Amino acid sequence: EAGVVQSPRYKIIEKKQPVAFWCNPISGHNTLYWYRQNLGQGPELLIRYENEEAVDDSQLPKDRFSAERLKGVDSTLKIQPAELGDSAVYLCASSFSPSDTEAFFGQGTRLTVV
Amino acid sequence: QKEVEQNSGPLSVPEGAIASLNCTYSDRGSQSFFWYRQYSGKSPELIMFIYSNGDKEDGRFTAQLNKASQYVSLLIRDSQPSDSATYLCAVKWGYGGSQGNLIFGKGTKLSVKP
Repeated sequence: EAGVVQSPRYKIIEKKQPVAFWCNPISGHNTLYWYRQNLGQGPELLIRYENEEAVDDSQLPKDRFSAERLKGVDSTLKIQPAELGDSAVYLCASSFSPSDTEAFFGQGTRLTVV
Repeated sequence: QKEVEQNSGPLSVPEGAIASLNCTYSDRGSQSFFWYRQYSGKSPELIMFIYSNGDKEDGRFTAQLNKASQYVSLLIRDSQPSDSATYLCAVKWGYGGSQGNLIFGKGTKLSVKP
């Protein structure tokens, strides 16, 4: 069974430019998480989807970040415009349901804003 | 605000010793508890999860949960140099608007010396 797939793996952009990250969760997983991880820190939750509904986006900086999960499968996280402080690893994770089950991570996208 | 606290370390143990990693969390409504291992430059990998008070063993790993004390730990027996990594504690909340959110601590860096 394929795991969580993210692309691209690496992205270098200039500040003020837009950037998008894509995530394909494990088949059948209804819950999808986007996290941001700064160097030496734990993952910080940005948004959680249950199917196509964003059930918690309270930590998403909505002035520049947006996300969507059309048809409840793939998801895209966008930053526009990017700032130097957005440099981090962006991780996508999925789980079967929001209750007890564990979440599995993709390989992440390392973003560098210059 | 729901929080997960870990000692950032580094924790250094000799090869063959027992490594003990600790985690506390802020809310008694927490539902399930996870330990992830993260090698440098890689994404988090699930090691164990535990839902009920007591101990849960899987090979060289034992997770311990004490909900009254809001405390969860991970013991690694017969530590190997390959266990050297950052260990992330994660808590999933079981009620309210945060139900289903998976929140991480900052991680404890473990170093196993040959």
